[in-house]
Amino acid sequence: EAQVTQNPRYLITVTGKKLTVTCSQNMNHEYMSWYRQDPGLGLRQIYYSMNVEVTDKGDVPEGYKVSRKEKRNFPLILESPSPNQTSLYFCASSLPDPGTGGFNEQFFGPGTRLTVL
Amino acid sequence: DQQVKQNSPSLSVQEGRISILNCDYTNSMFDYFLWYKKYPAEGPTFLISISSIKDKNEDGRFTVFLNKSAKHLSLHIVPSQPGDSAVYFCAGRYNNNDMRFGAGTRLTVKP
Repeated sequence: EAQVTQNPRYLITVTGKKLTVTCSQNMNHEYMSWYRQDPGLGLRQIYYSMNVEVTDKGDVPEGYKVSRKEKRNFPLILESPSPNQTSLYFCASSLPDPGTGGFNEQFFGPGTRLTVL
Repeated sequence: DQQVKQNSPSLSVQEGRISILNCDYTNSMFDYFLWYKKYPAEGPTFLISISSIKDKNEDGRFTVFLNKSAKHLSLHIVPSQPGDSAVYFCAGRYNNNDMRFGAGTRLTVKP
């Protein structure tokens, strides 16, 4: 089954304790992204990757790191989490738009709800 | 800087009637727009999209209309079904990779 998986689905942690949220897709997609969803703000892009070893900042990258060492995996790293990073996080993947090479319809994972105390 | 705005947080319609979800944007550089549907405890799923060079795209019960001069797009669902009850997000793309989403509209379709 074609899917994007995220782990963990739920996480409660404390300020300053490094954490990693994993994301994996089995569709051989070049493009992957991380978003956070907050009430009244919709989804905001944190980082994206257009291929292995190619990553770039999205709309709200501060406090986050990513890596893309393999095509299927795109982990999100919070080196020193803070309470304002409490949010619902989504990973997504897609193929390039055949016309422009840009982002196309994306397939989203089920989400990771993170609480930082 | 909310470049994509969905000004109605919620919408309720009767089964069988038309649902119209609206989206306004400020960035004239958006070249592609997408609608996603989200059920509770799941990730968003792609619904329909439209290029900025078109004014209408239809897929079954779903039609998206784009009015570039007004910087407005709308999603029409006809006929609405109870299974359409979800949160709908509008998104715009610019610079190929920058995606901006609205805050979402919760649609409730009553039997």
